[in-house]
Amino acid sequence: KQEVTQIPAALSVPEGENLVLNCSFTDSAIYNLQWFRQDPGKGLTSLLLIQSSQREQTSGRLNASLDKSSGRSTLYIAASQPGDSATYLCAVRPKERYQKVTFGIGTKLQVIP
Amino acid sequence: SQTIHQWPATLVQPVGSPLSLECTVEGTSNPNLYWYRQAAGRGLQLLFYSVGIGQISSEVPQNLSASRPQDRQFILSSKKLLLSDSGFYLCAWSAALNEQYFGPGTRLTVT
Repeated sequence: KQEVTQIPAALSVPEGENLVLNCSFTDSAIYNLQWFRQDPGKGLTSLLLIQSSQREQTSGRLNASLDKSSGRSTLYIAASQPGDSATYLCAVRPKERYQKVTFGIGTKLQVIP
Repeated sequence: SQTIHQWPATLVQPVGSPLSLECTVEGTSNPNLYWYRQAAGRGLQLLFYSVGIGQISSEVPQNLSASRPQDRQFILSSKKLLLSDSGFYLCAWSAALNEQYFGPGTRLTVT
């Protein structure tokens, strides 16, 4: 059974700092991994999708990496801004077509002005 | 572009009452559709998913049910709500096994 862990559960940083969020998973037989952000009381917004054959994906100030063999992904946020404050979740889709996507509980990020 | 709608946004229902939450997707055809529940401090729990009209798979046995009467419509229902059904319900879609996109969610409080 796939398990997804996100550490730390919460993180507080000053504005402008670069930061890394971690996601680890126990079963390396994945199809893809997706990072989301969730604002309080809102749905999830997709940030980046990494296919199992890829090592990283970039979108603006965000860079996500994937090391399938070690069961780890990181989300790097450059020059953090107060608007980046949200909960960040990672989700792993297995290779087996009809197995479910497994989500981490998320890391709650607060960027202090 | 694709959009996903959920309604209502919030709902307060008494124990034992019925439930109907609706999700619709625009701008795509034959999407995979999902219902998730999110409880505070816990990860998203997959409740149902559908790969086509009338094709529903249940992940968690409970008093909830789902239906897909049209290609881009997904409905979550219950005949009699329990207190434990309270939570944040999210609908999502994906094209096959690709990126998932989520709706705005419905906050359900069972009193």
